[in-house]
Amino acid sequence: GAVVSQHPSRVICKSGTSVKIECRSLDFQATTMFWYRQFPKKSLMLMATSNEGSKATYEQGVEKDKFLINHASLTLSTLTVTSAHPEDSSFYICSARPPVGNYGYTFGSGTRLTVV
Amino acid sequence: QQQVKQSPQSLIVQKGGISIINCAYENTAFDYFPWYQQFPGKGPALLIAIRPDVSEKKEGRFTISFNKSAKQFSLHIMDSQPGDSATYFCAAMGNQGGKLIFGQGTELSVKP
Repeated sequence: GAVVSQHPSRVICKSGTSVKIECRSLDFQATTMFWYRQFPKKSLMLMATSNEGSKATYEQGVEKDKFLINHASLTLSTLTVTSAHPEDSSFYICSARPPVGNYGYTFGSGTRLTVV
Repeated sequence: QQQVKQSPQSLIVQKGGISIINCAYENTAFDYFPWYQQFPGKGPALLIAIRPDVSEKKEGRFTISFNKSAKQFSLHIMDSQPGDSATYFCAAMGNQGGKLIFGQGTELSVKP
């Protein structure tokens, strides 16, 4: 149980275009999801907290207009990288928290974004 | 106060040996301490977790030791295997849920 599916696993896009990454909780409802960015051989950096039915909460230094987050249902959150540039190339990972009382965060398999 | 410091950055262990990774925290409001295992190109997977009301938790070859007074916790991998070669992250979270604060990660290599 507590499976999080992330899609796509890899994406290459041209500079200036937008890319959407999906994160789905498959067997539980997630009122809160988290989006992370990870650079090679580095730790996970929390970008934003996605809240179902309300605006996402962004961490300091993360451009909310660059990284659009939508959490329209209890099982789906999306991250859209707008007007992507090569410096946005990274590994993006989502995480979801199963129902209240269970502290075990489950992570998606990640999305490798390459902007050329 | 929100930091979790992890060491070593990298670790090489012979097959069958014990791998030990240490973490330290400052925020006494943290009450959940998980360890994650991450293989290249994959998301982190929960390995084992502990709460501060116990000093040790064991699951198979993996053991967490927790020292509340020192604000330190460690992961011990007994009988390390080449398949254990991965990056390991400790993390901490405050009460009633919230953000996971990750350590810097340890790249473990188990040599055959």
